[in-house]
Amino acid sequence: SQQGEEDPQALSIQEGENATMNCSYKTSINNLQWYRQNSGRGLVHLILIRSNEREKHSGRLRVTLDTSKKSSSLLITASRAADTASYFCATDPYGNNRLAFGKGNQVVVIP
Amino acid sequence: SQTIHQWPATLVQPVGSPLSLECTVEGTSNPNLYWYRQAAGRGLQLLFYSVGIGQISSEVPQNLSASRPQDRQFILSSKKLLLSDSGFYLCAWSVLPDQPQHFGDGTRLSIL
Repeated sequence: SQQGEEDPQALSIQEGENATMNCSYKTSINNLQWYRQNSGRGLVHLILIRSNEREKHSGRLRVTLDTSKKSSSLLITASRAADTASYFCATDPYGNNRLAFGKGNQVVVIP
Repeated sequence: SQTIHQWPATLVQPVGSPLSLECTVEGTSNPNLYWYRQAAGRGLQLLFYSVGIGQISSEVPQNLSASRPQDRQFILSSKKLLLSDSGFYLCAWSVLPDQPQHFGDGTRLSIL
């Protein structure tokens, strides 16, 4: 089955800096989603971007999608300590919401 | 508003014992329901999903089974747990295709 793969795996930044994470996938997709997971908790949905979209914003989050390169990026601007979490991308190849998740990026924001 | 409940939050079980994890959703009808497992430091693996009462699809062969006895209830079970069943189990729901999934807070399962 298809797997999203985030890069880099771990990121440590100072509060106020921007954090960028990348995700690549192998087959065509219907949409790609980004989720956040705080330690020991469930996942929280951040942004869904459809295959016919190239960029999407939500507050301090910016997601891009390049279907020709089969890749996506998540940018968190002006990071805060509360942004410390693991971030996962997930692809939906068939539009039936059977998601394939990547291994996740751990982001640590230092106050 | 919609909510999802998973219990228990933590469970320690001996090898060979049975398992029953429950997930319920409130505030929505006929949701798609999902069971995932997350190994330490890894992504999520889809175990089962259900589009309706009694309809279960398994994604990977394993020692686990799932049931959906009611519209908003999803149960993960095992007759005899293995050490490899340890992990963080997450339940999720969605209403429509092409829409986000909403996750419960998970069950941390440790097998001794």
